[in-house]
Amino acid sequence: ETGVTQTPRHLVMGMTNKKSLKCEQHLGHNAMYWYKQSAKKPLELMFVYNFKEQTENNSVPSRFSPECPNSSHLFLHLHTLQPEDSALYLCASSQDGSRLANYGYTFGSGTRLTVV
Amino acid sequence: GEDVEQSLFLSVREGDSSVINCTYTDSSSTYLYWYKQEPGAGLQLLTYIFSNMDMKQDQRLTVLLNKKDKHLSLRIADTQTGDSAIYFCAENPTGGSYIPTFGRGTSLIVHP
Repeated sequence: ETGVTQTPRHLVMGMTNKKSLKCEQHLGHNAMYWYKQSAKKPLELMFVYNFKEQTENNSVPSRFSPECPNSSHLFLHLHTLQPEDSALYLCASSQDGSRLANYGYTFGSGTRLTVV
Repeated sequence: GEDVEQSLFLSVREGDSSVINCTYTDSSSTYLYWYKQEPGAGLQLLTYIFSNMDMKQDQRLTVLLNKKDKHLSLRIADTQTGDSAIYFCAENPTGGSYIPTFGRGTSLIVHP
């Protein structure tokens, strides 16, 4: 158990579907992150939330919509995705989004998303 | 080129030492990291080293940092089949963003 739980573990969705990915941590961390991991590409940062406020949107298409209702929960809402959006989506957390983040991130196991 | 570079594959025999290398570009990075990703799992922080250190040892893991050459390495002694995974090097950038830059990862394959 990594301390960061992601659900579902696997998701297959059609291009017209709407779905949501969920991430939960009870580590007392105040910063949470969404990353996209595709084969043969570097890890891509998507969004950063620090104390529930979005501090970074790394030029992510609007078909991905994050939500952070509190410091323990993070969602990624998906709609009208493309097949190239198929990837492993990783959630991570850190103590905060500044100096304490230097002590490293805790990652969840990811949601393997397939868009058909 | 990329900010953090690693070779993509490394193959070793069980019981041998593994050395995974990484080069980075930001000479003022203060923290450098090694993460491990096992199949079907997320990244797990293995260790990190502060830039004023040359070496850090933790059981079978030894991290060496050469700041002059901007080179970081991870040595795994007595490599086991359970060490087979992808190992990511990461540096924290300057400029106050505190968001690490990751390499593409090195796939370590351990043969019995």
